[in-house]
Amino acid sequence: GESVGLHLPTLSVQEGDNSIINCAYSNSASDYFIWYKQESGKGPQFIIDIRSNMDKRQGQRVTVLLNKTVKHLSLQIAATQPGDSAVYFCAENSGTYKYIFGTGTRLKVLA
Amino acid sequence: GAGVSQTPSNKVTEKGKYVELRCDPISGHTALYWYRQSLGQGPEFLIYFQGTGAADDSGLPNDRFFAVRPEGSVSTLKIQRTERGDSAVYLCASSLGQGSNNEQFFGPGTRLTVL
Repeated sequence: GESVGLHLPTLSVQEGDNSIINCAYSNSASDYFIWYKQESGKGPQFIIDIRSNMDKRQGQRVTVLLNKTVKHLSLQIAATQPGDSAVYFCAENSGTYKYIFGTGTRLKVLA
Repeated sequence: GAGVSQTPSNKVTEKGKYVELRCDPISGHTALYWYRQSLGQGPEFLIYFQGTGAADDSGLPNDRFFAVRPEGSVSTLKIQRTERGDSAVYLCASSLGQGSNNEQFFGPGTRLTVL
């Protein structure tokens, strides 16, 4: 069936380093992808999105890369800060209201 | 402006009891969604409302789960005869419209624990 998954359940990085969080998806019909950040006790918060007609999109300190050939998505966070510590989810969408979320990666920022 | 709010933030109940979880969406948002999030997992879709009607309830696990949105704003998720497996965080989200052009804004969730 359709699925969105993550390669690494936990990622630890030094403060100031760059972080890369990966995601694999299986539905080739998906044309819209979102990265969410979820802090403890809070709901998911939108970070950045990308459509399938793009392979890269940049925001403030974050970049999302999309490789449709291998159905792979990544989130890059530059100069990781303690406030970036959270669980990160990718989600895919095939043009409807329904998002399919992956399992999540916990990012730990070490001081 | 206020975001999506959910009450209660935590609910502890006993197996077999009935519970209601409330969601107040962002004012003016016509679309409302319920998700369930188990520990260490991503949110799983339960039901989607467009206005007052449930446009898609395909994610509800069984007939013990029911949701309403009688006036097209506040929604209540109702769970009958709760089971220990129902324990999870129940998230509500709302968006201005439907489709991928409309960002879904999530509430903080209600953590349900069934003893």
